[in-house]
Amino acid sequence: SQTIHQWPATLVQPVGSPLSLECTVEGTSNPNLYWYRQAAGRGLQLLFYSVGIGQISSEVPQNLSASRPQDRQFILSSKKLLLSDSGFYLCAWSGRTPYSNQPQHFGDGTRLSIL
Amino acid sequence: DAKTTQPPSMDCAEGRAANLPCNHSTISGNEYVYWYRQIHSQGPQYIIHGLKNNETNEMASLIITEDRKSSTLILPHATLRDTAVYYCIVSAPLFTSGTYKYIFGTGTRLKVLA
Repeated sequence: SQTIHQWPATLVQPVGSPLSLECTVEGTSNPNLYWYRQAAGRGLQLLFYSVGIGQISSEVPQNLSASRPQDRQFILSSKKLLLSDSGFYLCAWSGRTPYSNQPQHFGDGTRLSIL
Repeated sequence: DAKTTQPPSMDCAEGRAANLPCNHSTISGNEYVYWYRQIHSQGPQYIIHGLKNNETNEMASLIITEDRKSSTLILPHATLRDTAVYYCIVSAPLFTSGTYKYIFGTGTRLKVLA
């Protein structure tokens, strides 16, 4: 069966420090991968998605970037964190079908606090 | 903006059916309706999805109206562990890639009462 792993589960970082969050998927190949952010008390907002190695699309302009160095690895990064980057970050994957109706499956997230 | 509207909160007695409504009046013909739930501090858990026919799985049933402008998620016998925020989502295609994205609203906070 397929599993998705995110780490770390929680992270506290000072303003201006760099960031690297990692997500890996097991049990499937060539998945679509997604990074979402959830602000307190709100729904999730899509940040980045990827349909293949090295292929990254950004949904909203921001202080973050994403990379996909391997088929089942998705990394969220920042060179200098802002206070507004605080939030709950979730990685998700979905399988490929011609009709793109495969549901997305989420990891357990990383709670990021910026001080 | 979210493409769905849900009541902010609902209560349900343990053992009874929980019926969670969702309006999606601007849904397009090729867009699916998905339901997820999120327990505090965890990632959203997939429940069920459908296009126009009613669907049932081991977790829930999904009833979609004939005009597809609204749907209802039914948890047939709610338990305390079903207390969570439930999200109704309409997918939006990302045409340049052939994939799609979810547009989340704020969901319904379901509280199952003992």
